[in-house]
Amino acid sequence: NAGVTQTPKFQVLKTGQSMTLQCAQDMNHNSMYWYRQDPGMGLRLIYYSASEGTTDKGEVPNGYNVSRLNKREFSLRLESAAPSQTSVYFCASRRTGGQDTEAFFGQGTRLTVV
Amino acid sequence: GENVEQHPSTLSVQEGDSAVIKCTYSDSASNYFPWYKQELGKGPQLIIDIRSNVGEKKDQRIAVTLNKTAKHFSLHITETQPEDSAVYFCAASDNQGGKLIFGQGTELSVKP
Repeated sequence: NAGVTQTPKFQVLKTGQSMTLQCAQDMNHNSMYWYRQDPGMGLRLIYYSASEGTTDKGEVPNGYNVSRLNKREFSLRLESAAPSQTSVYFCASRRTGGQDTEAFFGQGTRLTVV
Repeated sequence: GENVEQHPSTLSVQEGDSAVIKCTYSDSASNYFPWYKQELGKGPQLIIDIRSNVGEKKDQRIAVTLNKTAKHFSLHITETQPEDSAVYFCAASDNQGGKLIFGQGTELSVKP
């Protein structure tokens, strides 16, 4: 039981390059999330998906796209990376609907855009 | 949408003292309030949570209180130990759409 797995763990991009961050969970959770973490800013929600086939914007969606490929996988895409997207990105999943439960987080992806 | 404010941003205590972290939320529909601990280089992990039908919950040295009228909730850590040093986050969500919003985090330092 691996929980939430994110790839890659580290990435350096040049301004304007694109990349996709991958996330997979094996807990049969319906909801999945992408957050970014910057010093002093806490965890800010980028996008989330409450069920397979649905996605919704969070607090800071600009510059990002997401795909809920199936119940297990939720990817985050940067089409044209900017230095302001330098951050640590976390994927999370949990069961929602009825009584919400705790979110489980991946280990994070440290992204640097130069 | 929901907005969660967390204070203080940093907190330094002596080993054995108590630590209190406070959060306020804006959306009266929120009914689930978890607290997470994040150690260096790792993802956040749940330490305790509380639902809106409960005013207080305890788990050993950790307790959380909720005041729905004032829309604030607090984390209390008693008899702090050096291993409690970490970043703590509060969060809020409702059970309608799954959105989970976090506060800005509190860096707790427990000095031996």
